[in-house]
Amino acid sequence: EVQLVESGGGLVQPGRSLRLSCAASGFTFDDYGMSWVREAPGKGLEWVSGISWNTDSIGYADSVKGRFTISRDNAKNSLYLQMNSLRAEDMGLYYCAKDRNKRGYSYGLDGMDVWGQGTTVTVSS
Amino acid sequence: QSVLTQPPSVSGAPGQRVTISCTGSSSNIGAGYDVHWYQHLPGTAPKLLIYGYTYRPSGVPDRFSGSKSGASASLAITGLQAADEADYYCQSYDSSLSGPYVVFGGGTKLTVV
Repeated sequence: EVQLVESGGGLVQPGRSLRLSCAASGFTFDDYGMSWVREAPGKGLEWVSGISWNTDSIGYADSVKGRFTISRDNAKNSLYLQMNSLRAEDMGLYYCAKDRNKRGYSYGLDGMDVWGQGTTVTVSS
Repeated sequence: QSVLTQPPSVSGAPGQRVTISCTGSSSNIGAGYDVHWYQHLPGTAPKLLIYGYTYRPSGVPDRFSGSKSGASASLAITGLQAADEADYYCQSYDSSLSGPYVVFGGGTKLTVV
């Protein structure tokens, strides 16, 4: 079964850091681009960051650029999101999502067909 | 404000047909990038409903269909069911100067009345 399981969320003070992880199983992880997408309370889906299958293409939403870093460890079938200088507006449910197309040109270009259940990030003093 | 524009809400009675529009610009849909649609119940994993404007993943009922017109896309749902009540998002790719980005519409809440 193709599965993504996020972890690492929690309560953190403004300005502090958190590292999210996404464990993938059931597919050849290093053939697929991956993204992080978040859902803030009462808001819609917002793409946060993406990384292509070969790491040639990496991108960030303007709202997190310079503060968040996406990475992947293909040997561990894992995707990560290092979040620094966290703000209240970063609060939400963070999903990792798999590209639909194998070895696509870039992350998210052809849609995302598998999503995890999400991990919750709360930023509060 | 989202890069892709969707109506905030639509509604329909059981059995009826509804459509949801998604309007972009020259740096995303108008640039030739595909549009994909997701069904989402808040707090649960979004589900890919349509990819490449018109294609349905395996397991998605043919009551759901997508179309394209210029720099816009639409999702149609026929034979509305109570289980269809959810938020629907369009998604594309944007190649603006500071990008590229994955972009979502603001979401449309479907109510089955």
